[in-house]
Amino acid sequence: EIVMTQSPATLSVSLGERATLSCRASQNVDSLLAWYQQKPGQSPRLLIHDASTRATGIPARFSGSGSGTEFTLTISGLQSEDFAVYYCQQYRHWTPTFGQGTRVEIK
Amino acid sequence: EVQLLESGGGLMQPGGSLRLSCATSGYSFSSYAMSWVRQAPGKGLEWVSALDSRGATTHYADSVRGRFTISRDISRSTLYLQMTSLRAEDTATYYCTRDEETDSGLVVTRHDYWGQGVLVTVSS
Repeated sequence: EIVMTQSPATLSVSLGERATLSCRASQNVDSLLAWYQQKPGQSPRLLIHDASTRATGIPARFSGSGSGTEFTLTISGLQSEDFAVYYCQQYRHWTPTFGQGTRVEIK
Repeated sequence: EVQLLESGGGLMQPGGSLRLSCATSGYSFSSYAMSWVRQAPGKGLEWVSALDSRGATTHYADSVRGRFTISRDISRSTLYLQMTSLRAEDTATYYCTRDEETDSGLVVTRHDYWGQGVLVTVSS
């Protein structure tokens, strides 16, 4: 099973600043990686798929990069609605696996 | 508008059975694969099971294989998860998700739409 490791566990960021979230896969997953956002009491929402493609309706301040085993989600100019937990997920190999999540909180 | 609506959750005793349903609308149900993903209280996300668009090929996490069965009724645009031999560690909110499929029919577990989730609690 591919282990996805996200860092940091918690990220404190001020409004308007940039947040950089990392995700590492224990094996090569090519570019078959997605990022999801989950707010308290809500279902996860797909932000990025194929490592760098924004899902429908996702603002341009969200961007993804990386391939192989190292991936990054960048949120440029954090807005109040961006404070949430973010998960990465690989879908290159069975069983699809998620990282443990990064919580982005207000500094 | 794509909508996924789960139902069927509740409080069950260990060893019991339960069937979850996910009613879908707003898209062509028969053209997409589907998955179930769960989240234990206060924990992260865990993929549980997937099914291709025709209902022919199933995939399961090791933790549920042999106990859970995924299926779909195309005439009702509904996905199901039959859960048996329930354990305390199955306690979670269960989400159904819409997934992609390659031209050759392989499931791509990229979850582009999620339901609101249904809580399953297994406790004596």
